[in-house]
Amino acid sequence: GDSVTQMEGPVTLSEEAFLTINCTYTATGYPSLFWYVQYPGEGLQLLLKATKADDKGSNKGFEATYRKETTSFHLEKGSVQVSDSAVYFCALGRNQFYFGTGTSLTVIP
Amino acid sequence: NAGVTQTPKFRILKIGQSMTLQCTQDMNHNYMYWYRQDPGMGLKLIYYSVGAGITDKGEVPNGYNVSRSTTEDFPLRLELAAPSQTSVYFCASSYAQGRETQYFGPGTRLLVL
Repeated sequence: GDSVTQMEGPVTLSEEAFLTINCTYTATGYPSLFWYVQYPGEGLQLLLKATKADDKGSNKGFEATYRKETTSFHLEKGSVQVSDSAVYFCALGRNQFYFGTGTSLTVIP
Repeated sequence: NAGVTQTPKFRILKIGQSMTLQCTQDMNHNYMYWYRQDPGMGLKLIYYSVGAGITDKGEVPNGYNVSRSTTEDFPLRLELAAPSQTSVYFCASSYAQGRETQYFGPGTRLLVL
């Protein structure tokens, strides 16, 4: 069945470091792919999405490219800030949503 | 535009008690969902609804019930609360099912003692 495998955390980075959070998926057909972010004590917010192969989603300096050949949707940011500290969830949407287990990111000054 | 709202934010229940978690959305979405989030486990779908009067089970429905009498509201009922239901509960809604973005509420943290 459909599933999402996400890089385990926690991840700790210094401010201005490069961020990569790996996400791979298993699905039949053509799912949409999403990254959600959850700040402490809050619900999930959509960060970015891509709906077909080779699409690049981007928002707030974050990017992810829908790679069908490697079944991946890795999240990247060139220079993280303290305010990026949160939990990041990769998700797949086809008949229903499937979420990864989340990756906690802490950015230290 | 409030989006998806949930009440209460936090609740402590004793084993065997019951309660209703409220969820309301003002985006006129037909699809609504209830998830639970356990530490390190991601989100698991409890129930979902494709429109007023239509609900269906998700991955972990046991111990819960739902109803959908209006487009806006999708309450989740816990009967005979158990410690295994200690979790954070999120309501979400979407314009369409599957490939469309889901919009989440702020969550209800439930502790069953």
